[in-house]
Amino acid sequence: AQSVTQLDSHVSVSEGTPVLLRCNYSSSYSPSLFWYVQHPNKGLQLLLKYTSAATLVKGINGFEAEFKKSETSFHLTKPSAHMSDAAEYFCVVSAGGGYNKLIFGAGTRLAVHP
Amino acid sequence: NAGVTQTPKFRVLKTGQSMTLLCAQDMNHEYMYWYRQDPGMGLRLIHYSVGEGTTAKGEVPDGYNVSRLKKQNFLLGLESAAPSQTSVYFCASSLSRYEQYFGPGTRLTVT
Repeated sequence: AQSVTQLDSHVSVSEGTPVLLRCNYSSSYSPSLFWYVQHPNKGLQLLLKYTSAATLVKGINGFEAEFKKSETSFHLTKPSAHMSDAAEYFCVVSAGGGYNKLIFGAGTRLAVHP
Repeated sequence: NAGVTQTPKFRVLKTGQSMTLLCAQDMNHEYMYWYRQDPGMGLRLIHYSVGEGTTAKGEVPDGYNVSRLKKQNFLLGLESAAPSQTSVYFCASSLSRYEQYFGPGTRLTVT
């Protein structure tokens, strides 16, 4: 069975410092993995996706994530945080099946301080 | 190209009342989904549809019904609202095996 665990419920960084949001997954086959971002009172926006091509995936707004099969991880990083990055981030794994089932992590709330 | 839209954005219901949430997408996607989002629980799938005229139950279907009479629309109904259905509801759509695109959400309060 597929599952996803976001290791931090809250992360706080200063503007201009690196961001690391951690995600571990469990899957019985080679998964598709996604990171979504949700700004306050907004819908979910796709940041990036891994679908068994390059293991280092670049997304929008300077974010990237690295798929590490040996560690079953898909951590999200950004070299320099911006105030506008403050939001909730969801790591998501595709469970496959006949209807493209997605399994969501519980979310990590990122706070960015001046 | 509006993507995925949801109507209404906010709604307050009294216990026992009914309502329908409308989701529309203009991307010609086959698959559509209804989720609810509650604090600390991520998103949970209520119902989904893999094509016009088809619907199926997700993780938390009790108390909800859905219909997909047209490919571009997916309706979520609450026949008799309960306080436990206070939540934010998101609709999404996708091609068969790709990422899902989400609407802006409907914030529902049941008193």
